[in-house]
Amino acid sequence: NAGVTQTPKFRVLKTGQSMTLLCAQDMNHEYMYWYRQDPGMGLRLIHYSVGEGTTAKGEVPDGYNVSRLKKQNFLLGLESAAPSQTSVYFCASSGQGMREQFFGPGTRLTVL
Amino acid sequence: ELKVEQNPLFLSMQEGKNYTIYCNYSTTSDRLYWYRQDPGKSLESLFVLLSNGAVKQEGRLMASLDTKARLSTLHITAAVHDLSATYFCAVFYSGAGSYQLTFGKGTKLSVIP
Repeated sequence: NAGVTQTPKFRVLKTGQSMTLLCAQDMNHEYMYWYRQDPGMGLRLIHYSVGEGTTAKGEVPDGYNVSRLKKQNFLLGLESAAPSQTSVYFCASSGQGMREQFFGPGTRLTVL
Repeated sequence: ELKVEQNPLFLSMQEGKNYTIYCNYSTTSDRLYWYRQDPGKSLESLFVLLSNGAVKQEGRLMASLDTKARLSTLHITAAVHDLSATYFCAVFYSGAGSYQLTFGKGTKLSVIP
């Protein structure tokens, strides 16, 4: 039981490049989330999903897209990376009733 | 828009002392979560508070929730160095088909021997 895993752990991009971050969970959770964490800002919700095939915008969705084609996976895409997207990205999942969110280890992304 | 404010943002305390971290929020909610984060690590769930008056304790940490005052507290008793970390509160919001957690900015706690 791996919980929530994220791929990759680190990545450096040049401005304008694209990439996809993968989040996977093996707890059969309905809800999945993508957050970004910046110094002094806490965690801010980018996008989330309440079930397979559904996605919704969070607090800071601009510049990101997501997909949830399978229940266990939630993908975060950056189509044209910008230096402002340099951050640590966390994925989380929770079961019915949102009683607790379980977080992945994070992806540290640097955009030059 | 739900706003969550933690204070203090930085806390330096001596071992053996007691202190309280406060989490205020702006919109009605009956669910609040506390997380711990060590440097360079992910978030670890500490407490889930699901109703007004809820109180939970684990070791030297105790969390409480007052939904009428829109306030949660995280009390630290007889602090030890191992408690040094950043602590986040997060408030659950649901409305218009939206289900979200809004996080405070975190309280960085340093316990000094």
